[in-house]
Amino acid sequence: DAKTTQPPSMDCAEGRAANLPCNHSTISGNEYVYWYRQIHSQGPQYIIHGLKNNETNEMASLIITEDRKSSTLILPHATLRDTAVYYCIVRGLRANQAGTALIFGKGTTLSVSS
Amino acid sequence: EAGVAQSPRYKIIEKRQSVAFWCNPISGHATLYWYQQILGQGPKLLIQFQNNGVVDDSQLPKDRFSAERLKGVDSTLKIQPAKLEDSAVYLCASSFSGPNTGELFFGEGSRLTVL
Repeated sequence: DAKTTQPPSMDCAEGRAANLPCNHSTISGNEYVYWYRQIHSQGPQYIIHGLKNNETNEMASLIITEDRKSSTLILPHATLRDTAVYYCIVRGLRANQAGTALIFGKGTTLSVSS
Repeated sequence: EAGVAQSPRYKIIEKRQSVAFWCNPISGHATLYWYQQILGQGPKLLIQFQNNGVVDDSQLPKDRFSAERLKGVDSTLKIQPAKLEDSAVYLCASSFSGPNTGELFFGEGSRLTVL
């Protein structure tokens, strides 16, 4: 089962910041928080991941609380093309370095409107 | 860089028939995954390969589903016989394996309709 809880849907106006919350209260010390999104009729796309520090890349920022029990994905200036299902996933690493597979929940459907 | 290739993109079959999906991962990616995504749900892992060995197939319905990854590159997922509830998108993903295992790269998927 997925180890995260996300709201089923959110709306955002184009040009505004989209803040997507995620709860992962049972996260272990060696588990990362990953965010993926899935645009209609496409495969999921990696956005960002982090362990305990805040992270930023060209797509988004990831804010992880100090106790690591929740996080927020921030899209600073949402566009219509950001309309998608956003998945928050916790993922550990295997000792054999293969990595654990991503376990997806239902995600948050973000609707960006003009 | 070429992405994960999957074929066919669409397939319609009748129940009890068989079907096979093919996946070519990104060059150099040792880990390959097959996911099943039913409409309205998140992707569900079916099987994970590391090179040509199976890492996790606990969610694969082995009475009707099979998968192989010969030579540690391409992979094939087969369903025989198909049931109505197998109607879904079958997603293949690959990743580079190393001390900091990174992101998964997904293909566009193969959409299966079972009538």
